[in-house]
Amino acid sequence: DTGVSQDPRHKITKRGQNVTFRCDPISEHNRLYWYRQTLGQGPEFLTYFQNEAQLEKSRLLSDRFSAERPKGSFSTLEIQRTEQGDSAMYLCASSLETGGMNTEAFFGQGTRLTVV
Amino acid sequence: GDSVTQMEGPVTLSEEAFLTINCTYTATGYPSLFWYVQYPGEGLQLLLKATKADDKGSNKGFEATYRKETTSFHLEKGSVQVSDSAVYFCALRSNFNKFYFGSGTKLNVKP
Repeated sequence: DTGVSQDPRHKITKRGQNVTFRCDPISEHNRLYWYRQTLGQGPEFLTYFQNEAQLEKSRLLSDRFSAERPKGSFSTLEIQRTEQGDSAMYLCASSLETGGMNTEAFFGQGTRLTVV
Repeated sequence: GDSVTQMEGPVTLSEEAFLTINCTYTATGYPSLFWYVQYPGEGLQLLLKATKADDKGSNKGFEATYRKETTSFHLEKGSVQVSDSAVYFCALRSNFNKFYFGSGTKLNVKP
């Protein structure tokens, strides 16, 4: 297994355009997270899925953001009508939840979005 | 709500110096605690973890002990190397929910 994969690694877009990012988690992992990280800050929670169900979405997330995990495997994060404030590193992580303990998450290398 | 507070950086040390990065937390339930490391341009890598009080997590010479009485999980290493230069994040997770991260501490190790 190659770990969590994110695509693209870098994206430059003009303000107002839509962008979509993809995340492929570790194959047997049933939970998938999206976080956003800006320079000098820790990762900020966006949303997470258990299999295909979206269990929580951050209140900080505007309606321009949407995420899906249609078959409980890969996930996409779409940002509509991008703004300069959306410029950040978008991190995806996955974990295997068995209910026994709070397990660790494995992170991808991230997608760096720059809105110009 | 749950939160993590860690010491601000940057921390600059000479090679072979002793490292401590402080981390304290607030949590409901019984959290697991983690240290992640991030190298420039990369995602986060798990460094170590502890799942219950008094557990000690260790990896690559780094250690941290889960102290419930002081709600702390300080990261230590006896002798740092230049290759340890990175940003370190303390994190917690409780009730099988999302992770909460601290703001990160940048470590610079000089030869």
